Amino acid sequence: AQSVTQPDIHITVSEGASLELRCNYSYGATPYLFWYVQSPGQGLQLLLKYFSGDTLVQGIKGFEAEFKRSQSSFNLRKPSVHWSDAAEYFCAVGATYNTDKLIFGTGTRLQVFP
Amino acid sequence: ETGVTQSPTHLIKTRGQQVTLRCSSQSGHNTVSWYQQALGQGPQFIFQYYREEENGRGNFPPRFSGLQFPNYSSELNVNALELDDSALYLCASSWGGGANTGELFFGEGSRLTVL
Repeated sequence: AQSVTQPDIHITVSEGASLELRCNYSYGATPYLFWYVQSPGQGLQLLLKYFSGDTLVQGIKGFEAEFKRSQSSFNLRKPSVHWSDAAEYFCAVGATYNTDKLIFGTGTRLQVFP
Repeated sequence: ETGVTQSPTHLIKTRGQQVTLRCSSQSGHNTVSWYQQALGQGPQFIFQYYREEENGRGNFPPRFSGLQFPNYSSELNVNALELDDSALYLCASSWGGGANTGELFFGEGSRLTVL
């Protein structure tokens, strides 16, 4: 069965520190992978996506993610975190026959200390 | 360009009642997907509407139903409400019935509380 696991429920970092959010997926075929961010009072916003090609994907707000097929992972990274990055982050896998049908992980809440 | 708007933002119902949630899709989009996000969980796909037809459904019972109108706005209806239906209901719009870019544009959601 298709699934997404985000092992870290809550992460706290200092402003300016680097960040890595983990995501592991289970999917029978080549996955379509996404990272979304959910801030209080705002809808989910797409940070980046991977369909094929270069395994290192650049997104908005300075985020990047690397697809590693051998590890079934799609970890999100940012070299220097800003206080405004505090939010809930969701990894998702999309069905190849309908990329709008997403299976989300349970999310990682990021807290940023000044 | 207007974004995805949902109404109402909050509502409280009692068990057994029925509820209708509304969604206006982003300008230029013809596809609407509905998700349920329980507290502390990731969103779960309920169903999708494309060109006024249901275009895929998740693991939700038939008491969850929907509509899409000619202007591509959509409604989610839930009958016989249960306590476990308490959640944030998210609407997302896109173009092409899930066959294209894979970028969903989400509304802020309707928070339903069932007492």
